[in-house]
Amino acid sequence: DQQVKQNSPSLSVQEGRISILNCDYTNSMFDYFLWYKKYPAEGPTFLISISSIKDKNEDGRFTVFLNKSAKHLSLHIVPSQPGDSAVYFCAAGYNFNKFYFGSGTKLNVKP
Amino acid sequence: DTEVTQTPKHLVMGMTNKKSLKCEQHMGHRAMYWYKQKAKKPPELMFVYSYEKLSINESVPSRFSPECPNSSLLNLHLHALQPEDSALYLCASSQEGQGSSPLHFGNGTRLTVT
Repeated sequence: DQQVKQNSPSLSVQEGRISILNCDYTNSMFDYFLWYKKYPAEGPTFLISISSIKDKNEDGRFTVFLNKSAKHLSLHIVPSQPGDSAVYFCAAGYNFNKFYFGSGTKLNVKP
Repeated sequence: DTEVTQTPKHLVMGMTNKKSLKCEQHMGHRAMYWYKQKAKKPPELMFVYSYEKLSINESVPSRFSPECPNSSLLNLHLHALQPEDSALYLCASSQEGQGSSPLHFGNGTRLTVT
């Protein structure tokens, strides 16, 4: 049973607008959450993380929001750029080393 | 360029072959991981090494045998694999003992078992 879910397999956004990628989890033990970006033929690249003691973390154009009561996190990218087109994975972990990944959302940013 | 290097990039092997996947990092990370990823699926955790000792084995079949010769190197020895083992094998590393820290991935080895 998948503990981390990304229910939207794809998302298409116009350049300059906001991209919102969503992720849900089921395990209340998770205390650390991450977002990764993956281009074809490359490994996932770390984007941004958040610990369970926070509800928001910002890094440049990327902001992650965590709603613990809803077991939901989201990644906001603003403004979106064509180079952001990739597959985005959310991941959740506890006990420092045990990370579980969602199935990914393919983002297409149209020029 | 990724700071975690995996070799080879591609590997084709028969079901009776023995081969090894290699991973190297020079970031001083003391935790290293093997993940397996099938097409359109999330990466699945296989093994975790912490300070060169195996700390997590996610019930992986014995035809996969990990090895951590030192803090910079991680190997995955393959023997008698099945066609369904064909996948992208990802190595990752992270800091240890400093609270939660992100995984840094290599570009993976694309394995095909014939």
